[in-house]
Amino acid sequence: GENVEQHPSTLSVQEGDSAVIKCTYSDSASNYFPWYKQELGKRPQLIIDIRSNVGEKKDQRIAVTLNKTAKHFSLHITETQPEDSAVYFCAAGIDSWGKLQFGSGTQVVVTP
Amino acid sequence: GAVVSQHPSWVICKSGTSVKIECRSLDFQATTMFWYRQFPKQSLMLMATSNEGSKATYEQGVEKDKFLINHASLTLSTLTVTSAHPEDSSFYICSARGAGHTEAFFGQGTRLTVV
Repeated sequence: GENVEQHPSTLSVQEGDSAVIKCTYSDSASNYFPWYKQELGKRPQLIIDIRSNVGEKKDQRIAVTLNKTAKHFSLHITETQPEDSAVYFCAAGIDSWGKLQFGSGTQVVVTP
Repeated sequence: GAVVSQHPSWVICKSGTSVKIECRSLDFQATTMFWYRQFPKQSLMLMATSNEGSKATYEQGVEKDKFLINHASLTLSTLTVTSAHPEDSSFYICSARGAGHTEAFFGQGTRLTVV
């Protein structure tokens, strides 16, 4: 089955700096890679996703890159703001199935 | 986005009793629902996948007789934790996906505490 590893587990950044979270996956059949943001006690919210036919996707301050050969994908947050503080999870799966395996999560803390 | 509602948001039960958690898709038909378990400061662990009208598919290591999943309609799936014990205390969260859609929407989760 799929195995997703995520690093780092915690990330502290100054407001305005960039944050990068990296994930690797094991199953070459996976073709769907979403990223979720989860605030304490709340449900995960999809913030961006990428499919294996695309190498990069950007949505305002958030971007995701995918390297299929190396089986890794990354989340980039630019110009971080305090409200970006949360736990971020990467996930991988096959989009026609819908089943996702999640990474272990990254606690992002943005300090003013 | 679509709305998925989970009920109850929290529940406390005595050891040995059973607890039922509901997951409803409010504005779309959920052909597939997923149940996850999340321990504090840890990731979401997939427990099972359920398709409307068929038996759930459980992940390795998840006891199907302990965690009963029913997906009887396109808008409702239930997870029943049977004979609950303190080690079953956790945050249980569902997600639902409609036909032809990739994105699955999460419920708000249920915090179960077994005393």
